[in-house]
Amino acid sequence: DAGVTQSPTHLIKTRGQQVTLRCSPKSGHDTVSWYQQALGQGPQFIFQYYEEEERQRGNFPDRFSGHQFPNYSSELNVNALLLGDSALYLCASSLDRGGYTFGSGTRLTVV
Amino acid sequence: AQSVTQLDSQVPVFEEAPVELRCNYSSSVSVYLFWYVQYPNQGLQLLLKYLSGSTLVESINGFEAEFNKSQTSFHLRKPSVHISDTAEYFCAVITRDDKIIFGKGTRLHILP
Repeated sequence: DAGVTQSPTHLIKTRGQQVTLRCSPKSGHDTVSWYQQALGQGPQFIFQYYEEEERQRGNFPDRFSGHQFPNYSSELNVNALLLGDSALYLCASSLDRGGYTFGSGTRLTVV
Repeated sequence: AQSVTQLDSQVPVFEEAPVELRCNYSSSVSVYLFWYVQYPNQGLQLLLKYLSGSTLVESINGFEAEFNKSQTSFHLRKPSVHISDTAEYFCAVITRDDKIIFGKGTRLHILP
């Protein structure tokens, strides 16, 4: 049973560019959450998707947007990249509040 | 608002010695509590969780944590650490609106 799969694993972008990160949830999970983990920090909640809609959102600007598809997979889009957007982006899927599973993350470097 | 405080950013400990990683949370409602482990250059792995029932929860690799409601704590302990336990450990709580709030993490250094 595959866990949470994220792609790509690493990415280098230039300031001002746009990026799309992808996440496939664990089989049977219907909720996907995205987190940003800056170097040396704990993960910070970006937003959560359920039934193809954004259900919750953390304190992130509108440059951060997402989407959930009918098969529960999800994308995170970041526009107008800043150097400060460099981080590990983690996707987590769940079916209920007690069972979150995290992917290995996408390491984004903005230069 | 709910929050999680990990009191130590780094904890050095000799191999085979016991360790305690401290975690306190703030919440006026019932909580679900978690410990996640992050090995270098990897994502988060669930170590153990408290949802309800027995206040002492255990993981398969020898860690345990005790939920203490009166002290709002969920400290992680292991009686004898191994070099393979070197990692960053995150305490977390799930909010009523289903967000995970993480502490800043504690880096566990195992000394030979």
